[in-house]
Amino acid sequence: AQTVTQSQPEMSVQEAETVTLSCTYDTSESDYYLFWYKQPPSRQMILVIRQEAYKQQNATENRFSVNFQKAAKSFSLKISDSQLGDAAMYFCASYQTSYDKVIFGPGTSLSVIP
Amino acid sequence: DTGVSQNPRHKITKRGQNVTFRCDPISEHNRLYWYRQTLGQGPEFLTYFQNEAQLEKSRLLSDRFSAERPKGSFSTLEIQRTEQGDSAMYLCASSLSQGHYGYTFGSGTRLTVV
Repeated sequence: AQTVTQSQPEMSVQEAETVTLSCTYDTSESDYYLFWYKQPPSRQMILVIRQEAYKQQNATENRFSVNFQKAAKSFSLKISDSQLGDAAMYFCASYQTSYDKVIFGPGTSLSVIP
Repeated sequence: DTGVSQNPRHKITKRGQNVTFRCDPISEHNRLYWYRQTLGQGPEFLTYFQNEAQLEKSRLLSDRFSAERPKGSFSTLEIQRTEQGDSAMYLCASSLSQGHYGYTFGSGTRLTVV
């Protein structure tokens, strides 16, 4: 089975502060990939960051970084120096080669407070 | 390339009518995916194509739904005899080969069945 869980329906952060969004996943395979997608209001979904499961090093993209805990099947997203433009729905997602499609979690709505 | 294009952006239809949506993927991408997203939820997989071949259909896709990608380029998703439960955002995405690098999404078609 391939499932993705996000336990925080809503989060908020003060502008310029740091926030961490949680995600857990379940997979029966060793070959998989994890993603965080951002979906601003009424705008298209964009890929924020990607992690290959066989790599121990956590992925980073500018202000975005992940904490990949493979044994715990945890994949959290940290946003540093939060900006107003970071306000969006964030979806954690996984791709497992045998399933051959990306499965999404239910999402976390992030608000940024000026 | 202008990315993944979906038309129309919005569609309002009466219950029982048929509707068709179109997706134009990134030209060099041979994979094309359809997802459905209801308000406050993550995208749910519907079906996907590799070139013109439809590789998988979700159990969510009843026999009222049909998708085609006749020449391996654009795709259409048709819903026959629409029901109010079909109201959702229909997302199209494309990828080069398999999905382990993530997908590029279109802006979606928002369907409202009244």
